[in-house]
Amino acid sequence: EAGVAQSPRYKIIEKRQSVAFWCNPISGHATLYWYQQILGQGPKLLIQFQNNGVVDDSQLPKDRFSAERLKGVDSTLKIQPAKLEDSAVYLCASSLGQGSPLGFGPGTRLLVL
Amino acid sequence: TQLLEQSPQFLSIQEGENLTVYCNSSSVFSSLQWYRQEPGEGPVLLVTVVTGGEVKKLKRLTFQFGDARKDSSLHITAAQPGDTGLYLCAGPLGNTPLVFGKGTRLSVIA
Repeated sequence: EAGVAQSPRYKIIEKRQSVAFWCNPISGHATLYWYQQILGQGPKLLIQFQNNGVVDDSQLPKDRFSAERLKGVDSTLKIQPAKLEDSAVYLCASSLGQGSPLGFGPGTRLLVL
Repeated sequence: TQLLEQSPQFLSIQEGENLTVYCNSSSVFSSLQWYRQEPGEGPVLLVTVVTGGEVKKLKRLTFQFGDARKDSSLHITAAQPGDTGLYLCAGPLGNTPLVFGKGTRLSVIA
């Protein structure tokens, strides 16, 4: 079974620029999550999708972050404009349903200069 | 406020030593999951504990869920360099998605 795929693996941008991350979940997993992991911290949920609908985006900074999962499979997370404090690893995860164990991708390491 | 407190934050030990890391909360969880994250990778699930008082073993790793389902521990026997990584506990709180602790960063020196 193929795992969660993410791209790019690394990204360096300047503040105020835009950036987008892509995620392809484990086949058949209806639930998809984006987590932000700042250095030295545990993952923090940004947004949860169930198929193509948003279940929880209460911790997503909506003034600059957006995410979509239009066809209920792949997802993109966008930051526009980026701030220095957005430097982190952005992890995509998927599961069969809420409360089920998560399969994580390798993450995208973002550095904002 | 951190819902899941993990301790210690950092741990550096010699190969062959035993260790225990803790995950504590003031809230009751229906289950807790333990993940290990290696540098440059995403977290990988180790185990899920569901029943209060439950003990699960995974080779040299022993996981325990507290009777009141508010805490959990991970004990590693005869640690090896391959055990090095960030150990994260996580749990669903009600109908919310998984909440993660900050993790314990373990370094096992050969």
